[in-house]
Amino acid sequence: QSALTQPPSVSGAPGQSVTISCIGTYSNIGAGYRVHWYQHLPGRAPKVVMYGDHNRPSGVSGRFSGSKSGTSASLAIAGLQSEDEADYYCQSYDNSLRVWVFGGGTKVTVL
Amino acid sequence: QVHLQQWGAGTLKPSETLSLTCAVYGGSLSAYYFTWIRQSPAKGLEWIAEINHSGATEYNPSLRSRLTISVDISKNQFSLRMTSLTPADTAMYYCATSPKDNVAYFQRWFDPWGQGTLVSVSS
Repeated sequence: QSALTQPPSVSGAPGQSVTISCIGTYSNIGAGYRVHWYQHLPGRAPKVVMYGDHNRPSGVSGRFSGSKSGTSASLAIAGLQSEDEADYYCQSYDNSLRVWVFGGGTKVTVL
Repeated sequence: QVHLQQWGAGTLKPSETLSLTCAVYGGSLSAYYFTWIRQSPAKGLEWIAEINHSGATEYNPSLRSRLTISVDISKNQFSLRMTSLTPADTAMYYCATSPKDNVAYFQRWFDPWGQGTLVSVSS
């Protein structure tokens, strides 16, 4: 069981928006640790698409946005495109477990 | 831009030792932390261990007793050794880096990642 909780899957039609939630606790997200998001395509290395809660790396589409409030964070993808189909993982630090922790992953499907 | 290339044995038997190595291309080792992460269906993504260019290490408390992480500055490589393997250690193992500069230690993210090594532990 992952320290951060994500929905197993979300889906949307091309052009629609989807939001992936990442629910933590007061020992990780709620303690002020930043949340980062990774996109993982089959057979590829995971790639960061959002860091420090809401910062987008260069080269990542502006359709991706991140937010955080309390013990949870979200990654939103606007104007869904087929290339966005992937598994997405959130990550933070947990001061009780004393490790960097990940969510269980959310599969984004473009209908 | 840093690029990682990893390798190591993929099929092992219970009680054997896993050895993985990751080569770092295109960056100064002093600018990064070097990390191992694994992914299994049972436990998802799991942070294993990290080291910096000076050899300072951190280990996942749940795995610490079986782990050794090391760095070879002369070869621009870092390695992971995990002993007493069981089938529960079957996973995809990734090496990754995270920045040292301008990022608070516990606020770090991992980028880039290596291509992954599938490790299967079975008798």
